[in-house]
Amino acid sequence: QVQLQESGPGLVKPSQTLSLTCTVSGGSISSGGYYWSWIRQHPGKGLEWIGYIYYSGSTYYNPSLKSRVTISVDTSKNQFSLKLSSVTAADTAVYYCARLGYCSGGSCYSFDYWGQGTLVTVSS
Amino acid sequence: QSALTQPPSASGSPGQSVTISCTGTSSDVGGYNYVSWYQQHPGKAPKLMIYEVSKRPSGVPDRFSGSKSGNTASLTVSGLQAEDEADYYCSSYAGSNNSPYVFGTGTKVTVL
Repeated sequence: QVQLQESGPGLVKPSQTLSLTCTVSGGSISSGGYYWSWIRQHPGKGLEWIGYIYYSGSTYYNPSLKSRVTISVDTSKNQFSLKLSSVTAADTAVYYCARLGYCSGGSCYSFDYWGQGTLVTVSS
Repeated sequence: QSALTQPPSASGSPGQSVTISCTGTSSDVGGYNYVSWYQQHPGKAPKLMIYEVSKRPSGVPDRFSGSKSGNTASLTVSGLQAEDEADYYCSSYAGSNNSPYVFGTGTKVTVL
């Protein structure tokens, strides 16, 4: 059973960089076949896809966040990470890491495993 | 990319059925058979309930079913049970021109 676990600071100051790591267990990122994503949920609101990374390091970001987002992977640790720069209060949200699966034709279409989520608050 | 439109709430008594709609455009819901549905209980992570419009992952009860017509997808929960009370979100693949994954606004299902 694949499990994902987010970790990182719960409080970030405005204008600084939010950094989170997702540790994957029960499956290897480097085995390929899946994309590894970050998704966020503003308090009491819906879900927003941030971006994904493949084990090879190729990435795809939400255009609305692209200028501030970097997702990286460390296959030796079976982890992938999110950096979001120049944060404001609007970036306060629960951040989830998730596996993007159910793939065909080189793309994947459903988030089949999720971490428990971690609340990141942007405040001075 | 705009969020997919869902009704804010839906309800039904135990044993009854409830259907939730998810309306998008020809660029997302109507353009691809890649609609997913997620169930989220308070304080928990979303759980995949339906993928590719109408398919159920292993372990999801067959009380949950999905369909699509044009730009609108639907999730039906039959034989409502107390544990079905949760928020439900649809999601659709939207191609590579914009954000490829767009979510719905969410529907709170209440079991009366």
